Amino acid sequence: DIVMTQSPDSLAVSLGERATINCRSSQNILYNSKNYLAWYQQKPGQPPKLLIYWASTRESGVPDRFSGSGSGTDFTLTITSLQAEDVAVYYCQHYSSTPRTFGQGTQVEIK
Amino acid sequence: QVQLQQWGAGVLKPSETLSLTCAAYGGSFSGYYWSWIRQPPGKGLEWIGEINHRGTTDYNPSLKSRVTISVDTSKKHFSLELRSVTAADTAVYYCAREREAIFDTWGQGTLVTVSS
Repeated sequence: DIVMTQSPDSLAVSLGERATINCRSSQNILYNSKNYLAWYQQKPGQPPKLLIYWASTRESGVPDRFSGSGSGTDFTLTITSLQAEDVAVYYCQHYSSTPRTFGQGTQVEIK
Repeated sequence: QVQLQQWGAGVLKPSETLSLTCAAYGGSFSGYYWSWIRQPPGKGLEWIGEINHRGTTDYNPSLKSRVTISVDTSKKHFSLELRSVTAADTAVYYCAREREAIFDTWGQGTLVTVSS
């Protein structure tokens, strides 16, 4: 199985500041010029919501303060100008093969 | 836009069989894979398995011996059975649609508690 490891486990950022979450896969998930990596946001009591896929493509309706980058085994989710409604747990997930696996999650809070 | 609604028993005793069903409303059913994912309380996400409209399945090896996912294309339903449950199977179970293996739509989740 491909192991997805996120860092940090939690972070506190001031409103309007940048939040950066890292995700590392145990195997290369770049195939045919595509990185098989997605990011999800989960708020308490809700199912996860798709934010980013193919490592850097924003899902329709997702604010442009969310961006994804990286390739191969190292990826980053950046939230520029953190808003109060961005408090949530964020997960990365690979979909290059089965079983599909998720990172352990990163809790983002307001400082 | 597709919406997923799921239902099933929320409390089970050890050794019983978990059974959940998910219905897709408002969108195409064919041409997608449909997954089950679970999340133990306060923990992360675990993919259980998937099925397409033809009934082709793939399961997480960690659960494969106890899991069956089935589909009723005429009703746009797919179902999860997990046999011989233990307390370790206590979790919120989600159904989800896969768009190119990306989970783009999720059900509301069902908390299943296994307790004697």
